Amino acid sequence: NAGVTQTPKFQVLKTGQSMTLQCAQDMNHNSMYWYRQDPGMGLRLIYYSASEGTTDKGEVPNGYNVSRLNKREFSLRLESAAPSQTSVYFCASSEIRLAGKVSDTQYFGPGTRLTVL
Amino acid sequence: GESVGLHLPTLSVQEGDNSIINCAYSNSASDYFIWYKQESGKGPQFIIDIRSNMDKRQGQRVTVLLNKTVKHLSLQIAATQPGDSAVYFCAETENDYKLSFGAGTTVTVRA
Repeated sequence: NAGVTQTPKFQVLKTGQSMTLQCAQDMNHNSMYWYRQDPGMGLRLIYYSASEGTTDKGEVPNGYNVSRLNKREFSLRLESAAPSQTSVYFCASSEIRLAGKVSDTQYFGPGTRLTVL
Repeated sequence: GESVGLHLPTLSVQEGDNSIINCAYSNSASDYFIWYKQESGKGPQFIIDIRSNMDKRQGQRVTVLLNKTVKHLSLQIAATQPGDSAVYFCAETENDYKLSFGAGTTVTVRA
């Protein structure tokens, strides 16, 4: 049981290049999330997917797109990378809220360190 | 806007002492709170959580206290060990999927 996995671990891009960050979870969780973390700051939500087939914007969605490929996989795409997108990106997953059972604990992957030059 | 924050950005603790990490939140509608630990180069790791219908919850060597009157959350670590050195984040949510994180407190354990 690997939990939440992310690829790649590191990436360097030039301004204007595109790339996709991959995330997969093997915990059969319904909800998945993408965050970014900048130095000295907490995590900020980019996009989330409450369940397979749905995606919603978080706090900082501009410049990003997401795809919930299936229940296990949730990818984050940068269409035209900018230096302001230099950050560490974390994917997370959690169980869906069920009536009478609320468990919103989010489990995080190891992160992708992205540098945009 | 609503925000979750920590009182101190850094905390230095002697090994074996108890640690107390504080967090203030501003959203009175928040109903679920989580403490995460993040070691260097790793993703946040769940430590303990608490719902708004509770004041205290204990785990292994950790205790979370919630004071809804003053919107304050704290994490107590008993007998702090070198492995407890990390950045600690509090997070809160108002009955939905979106967690709001504080900026974090860096805990350094002195031998």
